[in-house]
Amino acid sequence: QKEVEQDPGPLSVPEGAIVSLNCTYSNSAFQYFMWYRQYSRKGPELLMYTYSSGNKEDGRFTAQVDKSSKYISLFIRDSQPSDSATYLCAMALYNNNDMRFGAGTRLTVKP
Amino acid sequence: NAGVMQNPRHLVRRRGQEARLRCSPMKGHSHVYWYRQLPEEGLKFMVYLQKENIIDESGMPKERFSAEFPKEGPSILRIQQVVRGDSAAYFCASSPRGPGYEQYFGPGTRLTVT
Repeated sequence: QKEVEQDPGPLSVPEGAIVSLNCTYSNSAFQYFMWYRQYSRKGPELLMYTYSSGNKEDGRFTAQVDKSSKYISLFIRDSQPSDSATYLCAMALYNNNDMRFGAGTRLTVKP
Repeated sequence: NAGVMQNPRHLVRRRGQEARLRCSPMKGHSHVYWYRQLPEEGLKFMVYLQKENIIDESGMPKERFSAEFPKEGPSILRIQQVVRGDSAAYFCASSPRGPGYEQYFGPGTRLTVT
């Protein structure tokens, strides 16, 4: 079993839809959780960074962490074609150098 | 404030040659991480450095790969005697505060070994 599992998709939605992206993990000691967006042939761009269980909202993006279920989510409201990218979840232990990434979910938002 | 800079963006090497990848962190960041990304795979941690020190190289192959972050100048990831399996995108990230904190990525260097 991989330490971080993420459905690679691809996921295709119409413009304006609510998108739900998810990751599960096996190591209950992970404490920091991040979501990155990566456009084709570009570097990952940090979208959300959370430390604890619960929700964090930033514009159209909401990150959700459920440590008891070892499950994290990223919701995108009113999705736009410019949101089409690969979304990577990432997590780290406290004071640990090795951040673990999911394989990424490829999202396409159709106009 | 310029972001993380990497160069070259694309690098082609023949088998057996050396590859040097450079990374300049964001201004004020003294923590640098290198990752490798293979097609259809997630990012894999290679090495974590602070100025003049390698803190954790547990993700880096023991042979042919080395990294440095000198007091002056960019961080360098060096791959000696490259093989086809080294073909990948190499990303560096920098952080202002170190392990567990947010990391900001550069655009990557795409290495192709022919």
